[in-house]
Amino acid sequence: EVRLVESGGGLVQPGRSLRLSCAASGFSFNDYAMHWVRQAPGKGLEWVSSVNWNSGSMYYGDSVKGRFTISGDSAKRSLYLQMARLRTEDTALYYCVKGYSSYSSDHFDHWGQGTLVTVSS
Amino acid sequence: SYVLTQPLSLSVAPGRTATITCGGNNIGSKSVQWYRQKSGQAPALLIYYDSDRPSGIPERFSGSNSGNTATLTISRVEVGDEADYYCQLWHSGINQWVFGGGTKLTVL
Repeated sequence: EVRLVESGGGLVQPGRSLRLSCAASGFSFNDYAMHWVRQAPGKGLEWVSSVNWNSGSMYYGDSVKGRFTISGDSAKRSLYLQMARLRTEDTALYYCVKGYSSYSSDHFDHWGQGTLVTVSS
Repeated sequence: SYVLTQPLSLSVAPGRTATITCGGNNIGSKSVQWYRQKSGQAPALLIYYDSDRPSGIPERFSGSNSGNTATLTISRVEVGDEADYYCQLWHSGINQWVFGGGTKLTVL
């Protein structure tokens, strides 16, 4: 059974940094693209970032480009999202998502339950 | 950037058919996914590659995509279908995933 468990969320001041983690199990971590998607309170889904392990390609949404970095550790079967220069508008529930295939352009087939990030002074 | 436009809300009586649209420039040339998010839950894949259903998704759910509109159709709507529905696609020209704004389906 595929399982994705996010952690690392919390309350952080604007301008500070935070790193989210996602522990993956139930599938071969290196064989699938991975993604982060966020959802602000009461709002819709917003794609944040994707990674294709085979090509090493990483992709980012316009609102986080240059501030967020996606990475992973295959030995720990973990996905990370390093978030810097956080803004109040980054406040959201952040979902870790597994891709259907190794291609980051393929759809998302499993979602974690999310970790909440609140950016506020 | 590329925009996907969905109606904010839709109300349908039980047993009737719900049609949720997703508008985008030449969306018919792209592969569209649909996700369902029930209250308090994470989203879940409903339709992929325009019209394919993952295992476990009933045949009542179907998708189509042509021209500037992709459509999710839910036949014989049930109270349990109440949820937010999102369309999504990968835009290869900008290397980004794009979500529609979501449609809240109410069954009354």
